[in-house]
Amino acid sequence: VAMTQSPLSLPVTLGQSASISCRSSQSLVYSDGNTYLNWFHQRPGQSPRRLIYKVSNRDSGVPDRFSGSGSGTDFTLEISRVEAEDVGVYYCMQGTHWPPTFGQGTKVEIK
Amino acid sequence: EVQLVESGGGLVKPGGSLRLSCAASGFTFSSYSMHWVRQAPGTGLEWVSSIGSIPTYIYYGDSVRGRFTISRDNAKNSLYLQMNSLRAEDTAVYYCARESGGLYLFDYWGQGTLVTVSS
Repeated sequence: VAMTQSPLSLPVTLGQSASISCRSSQSLVYSDGNTYLNWFHQRPGQSPRRLIYKVSNRDSGVPDRFSGSGSGTDFTLEISRVEAEDVGVYYCMQGTHWPPTFGQGTKVEIK
Repeated sequence: EVQLVESGGGLVKPGGSLRLSCAASGFTFSSYSMHWVRQAPGTGLEWVSSIGSIPTYIYYGDSVRGRFTISRDNAKNSLYLQMNSLRAEDTAVYYCARESGGLYLFDYWGQGTLVTVSS
C-alpha cells in the first residue's frame, strides 16, 4: 500500500498551525474494525517517535497540540500553535496491510 | 523504562555479512513481537523484518528476503538481524522497534545502528 504525504516541505511560523495530509492507495480499515494509521516525528539525528496511533489516539506525553483525524484513505495530522521543538520530519505509517509502509515524510521547519 | 539499544553496525564490503543486535530492557521482552526498520541516508523509513513473541511468526520484506535472518533470544532479552550478501543499497541506519497493542503498532524504537556497505 502506497502512502502519499503532502506537502513534503512545510515552513511554518511559530505559534501558527500546520496540517499534513496522508493518503493511502487502499482503505486502511482492518477486518477488526480498527484503522492502523500512525504518525511519527523524527528530529534530526534521532529515532522516530510515535505521536498518534490508530488515526487519532495520542501517545503518552504527546502535547494536545497534536491531533490526528481521517478515515478510509485520507488522514491528517494537525499541529496547533507550532513550537520550535516541533521541527523535523513527520511520517505517516500504515499497519493494516502487509508489509507495513511509510509515507515519504514531511519536513517541518520554522520560517 | 523501556529501552532498546542496537549494536553491531559498521562498514562492510559488498557481499559481506554483519550481525546486528538489539538489547531490550524495562519490559517483558518475551511477550512482544519485535521488528527491524531501516532508513537509508537522507531518505524515509522501510520496514525490514519482524518476529513474533513466539518465533514461529517471522516475516521479511521483499528487498531482504533470502539474505537476512531475524532471530531472538528471550533468555537474553535480545533481538538479532543476521545480514548476508550485503549490497550497497542495504546502507542505512537500522532500528529495532517494539510492537504493542496491534498490527505494527511500533511504540518504542531504539537509537539505531549505522550499516555502511561499500568497497
